[in-house]
Amino acid sequence: DSGVTQTPKHLITATGQRVTLRCSPRSGDLSVYWYQQSLDQGLQFLIQYYNGEERAKGNILERFSAQQFPDLHSELNLSSLELGDSALYFCASSDNQYTDTQYFGPGTRLTVL
Amino acid sequence: LAKTTQPISMDSYEGQEVNITCSHNNIATNDYITWYQQFPSQGPRFIIQGYKTKVTNEVASLFIPADRKSSTLSLPRVSLSDTAVYYCLVGVPTGGFKTIFGAGTRLFVKA
Repeated sequence: DSGVTQTPKHLITATGQRVTLRCSPRSGDLSVYWYQQSLDQGLQFLIQYYNGEERAKGNILERFSAQQFPDLHSELNLSSLELGDSALYFCASSDNQYTDTQYFGPGTRLTVL
Repeated sequence: LAKTTQPISMDSYEGQEVNITCSHNNIATNDYITWYQQFPSQGPRFIIQGYKTKVTNEVASLFIPADRKSSTLSLPRVSLSDTAVYYCLVGVPTGGFKTIFGAGTRLFVKA
């Protein structure tokens, strides 16, 4: 158990819909990262937040957005969903913004039908 | 960003030592080298991190030569449960940290 929690575990929705994925980092960790992993794309970095502020952006689509709240939990919002958005979405946390020592959550499996 | 190159896959047998080498020719002075392990449908798990020479923990050893252009993850006496994908990462703190996971190395341990 990494100490990072993600909800929900599974999510099934339809194209065009909007969903919100939630992540609670390890206690004390200020940095949160979001990743997408699909079968044909590997693990793709989406975005990083540090203490409520966006710190780095990867291959995140404009239809996706994220935020980190004052209590340090984070949400990833996915809108206008397409079939290709079906993937595992992982959240990770670390205690600072410059480390590769990230602790990953169990992931949310999103299925878009 | 320092790019990494690893073998796509490796096979081994239970009880053997496995060495996975990662090339990172453009590693920067402040970069650290980190390895993660990922089982199917689970998030990657931190294994080990180092800057130079050798680092050992209860799970693995990491060997980094003086020029730091490569690193080798060593797993002693692997078991079937070590079958996983292993990722090598090189950290580049640039005021905004983008973590780049490559394709990783698929290790398959046979009985």
